[in-house]
Amino acid sequence: NFMLTQPHSVSESPGKTVTISCTRSSGSIASSYVQWYQQRPDSAPTTVIYEASQRPSGVPDRFSGSIDRSSNSASLTIAGLKTEDEADYYCQSYDDTTLFVFGTGTKVTVL
Amino acid sequence: EVPLAESGGGLVKPGGSLRLSCAASGITFNNAWLTWVRQAPGKGLEWVGRIKTKTAGGTTDYAAPVTNRFTISRDDSKHTLYLQMNNLKTEDTALYYCTTVNWKGHFDYWGQGTLVTVSS
Repeated sequence: NFMLTQPHSVSESPGKTVTISCTRSSGSIASSYVQWYQQRPDSAPTTVIYEASQRPSGVPDRFSGSIDRSSNSASLTIAGLKTEDEADYYCQSYDDTTLFVFGTGTKVTVL
Repeated sequence: EVPLAESGGGLVKPGGSLRLSCAASGITFNNAWLTWVRQAPGKGLEWVGRIKTKTAGGTTDYAAPVTNRFTISRDDSKHTLYLQMNNLKTEDTALYYCTTVNWKGHFDYWGQGTLVTVSS
């Protein structure tokens, strides 16, 4: 079994850039796809990044995703931060043993 | 338009049972692998279980905390997914979402959730 660990919270001013990490505890981060979900208060999660770096239609290109094999982690970067980006963000991945795993979640605050 | 709509949540006593439903529209239900995901109040997302399509065997998988207590089923003729929850515990209190999941492990469609409260 593996776990995905995220920072509890990040905060930054409007217009700045934030990066959220998602570290896999065992097994390679690159061995299965990583998704990122945004969850605003009292709303269901929505996808902002799928398959590590793909953006669904309608998601601004201010959102980007990447994988770093050296740190066994995935990252979500939000550039040009806007107040509407204030939300909780979850990474998620999969393997044949553990099946589906969500990250611990990160609260993004726009100062 | 949200293609998934959960129902059936409510207040139940510890040890009790509840069945949740998830009605689908606007998606090719018979070809969809489906899951339940829950979120306890103020907590993160937790995968509960998955059911494959009939053509893939219709098999189910569950997270450890719900194994042997929860059962997922589907009625393709009604475009409906079910979650039968037995021997409920206080720690099962959560908002329960149904989702579709593709073969790459991406939860691509979500319902709005139905709240289950387990309390005496």
